[in-house]
Amino acid sequence: DQQVKQNSPSLSVQEGRISILNCDYTNSMFDYFLWYKKYPAEGPTFLISISSIKDKNEDGRFTVFLNKSAKHLSLHIVPSQPGDSAVYFCAAAGGSQGNLIFGKGTKLSVKP
Amino acid sequence: DTGVSQNPRHKITKRGQNVTFRCDPISEHNRLYWYRQTLGQGPEFLTYFQNEAQLEKSRLLSDRFSAERPKGSFSTLEIQRTEQGDSAMYLCASSATRPDTQYFGPGTRLTVL
Repeated sequence: DQQVKQNSPSLSVQEGRISILNCDYTNSMFDYFLWYKKYPAEGPTFLISISSIKDKNEDGRFTVFLNKSAKHLSLHIVPSQPGDSAVYFCAAAGGSQGNLIFGKGTKLSVKP
Repeated sequence: DTGVSQNPRHKITKRGQNVTFRCDPISEHNRLYWYRQTLGQGPEFLTYFQNEAQLEKSRLLSDRFSAERPKGSFSTLEIQRTEQGDSAMYLCASSATRPDTQYFGPGTRLTVL
């Protein structure tokens, strides 16, 4: 049973436009959420995180929104750039040990 | 801050052989995690260390897998009697506290022939 779901395997966006990546979770014990970006044959690179006590966090072109009642979070990238093309993973943590539960990822393609 | 490093980056082995991977975390991080990633999936948690103590193991970690973190610094992950199903990317991550961001290494790609 998948606790973190990314229902869109892929997303294609024009350069300069907004990219919106979505993530749903089922476990209400999750209290910390992260987005990672991954290129082939490399480890995930941390992008941005949000605690469950907040509903928005911004870092430059990246903004994460958290809707706890809907158990939904989203990552907005504005403006999108071709270098943003990668697989994006949503991850959630809860409990004392803090191991992350990942979604299956969304492959973002930003076209020039 | 030199980041998390993993060695080797690639390992090709024959079924039935033993393999060992090494992870060097960010120096001030006391938490260390191992994950495994297969094609089309997100990373899946294997095990977790706080300092030298192994505090959590996933049911994915069969008895052929063992992990150590002597002296709370680097960690090793050993797979005995490898099987073709063990072929995957093995990722190591470290963090300072809970909750805190986990920083990942580049991974070790294991191919079992």
